[in-house]
Amino acid sequence: RKEVEQDPGPFNVPEGATVAFNCTYSNSASQSFFWYRQDCRKEPKLLMSVYSSGNEDGRFTAQLNRASQYISLLIRDSKLSDSATYLCVFLNAGGTSYGKLTFGQGTILTVHP
Amino acid sequence: EPEVTQTPSHQVTQMGQEVILRCVPISNHLYFYWYRQILGQKVEFLVSFYNNEISEKSEIFDDQFSVERPDGSNFTLKIRSTKLEDSAMYFCASGGQGQIIYGYTFGSGTRLTVV
Repeated sequence: RKEVEQDPGPFNVPEGATVAFNCTYSNSASQSFFWYRQDCRKEPKLLMSVYSSGNEDGRFTAQLNRASQYISLLIRDSKLSDSATYLCVFLNAGGTSYGKLTFGQGTILTVHP
Repeated sequence: EPEVTQTPSHQVTQMGQEVILRCVPISNHLYFYWYRQILGQKVEFLVSFYNNEISEKSEIFDDQFSVERPDGSNFTLKIRSTKLEDSAMYFCASGGQGQIIYGYTFGSGTRLTVV
């Protein structure tokens, strides 16, 4: 089983749509979870951390289910500027690990007018 | 907002040549990382560096790779004898004490092309 598996995408949605991405992870010792976004040929940028209680940042809502080893990202009222690749990422810190991030393959989102 | 700075933005080198990729992490950060991304593939961890030594490395980080923090501000990745398959984007990142569990900041990357 891959360490991180994401929805394959791509997702093509109109402006204003709601879109959701899912991600599963296999390492139950994973400590922290994130969604990053990556624009074409640019660096990954932290979008938001994901907490067990669920968290929201404006139009973005993230959820973590540790029992099912699953995280999700919901984007409401999509904007053209949301077009990017969304990366599911987890971090192991502690023990012999000093903050190695493990990335998923990414899900491409295209928002069209 | 503090930034991680990488130079050069693009480097073209001949197979077999040595390259050094440079990074200036955020000034008070203690944890340093290199990642790479081959075109069309996922971002992959190469190495982490803490307290002036490698703390963790991946299988990709073989004897051809080395890292150094020569002067307390720069953090470099050296590839001793480049291969075609080393062509990729290389990203540097840094994290602060007690902060890495909240994610960390990546530089804008160096695109390495080996010909």
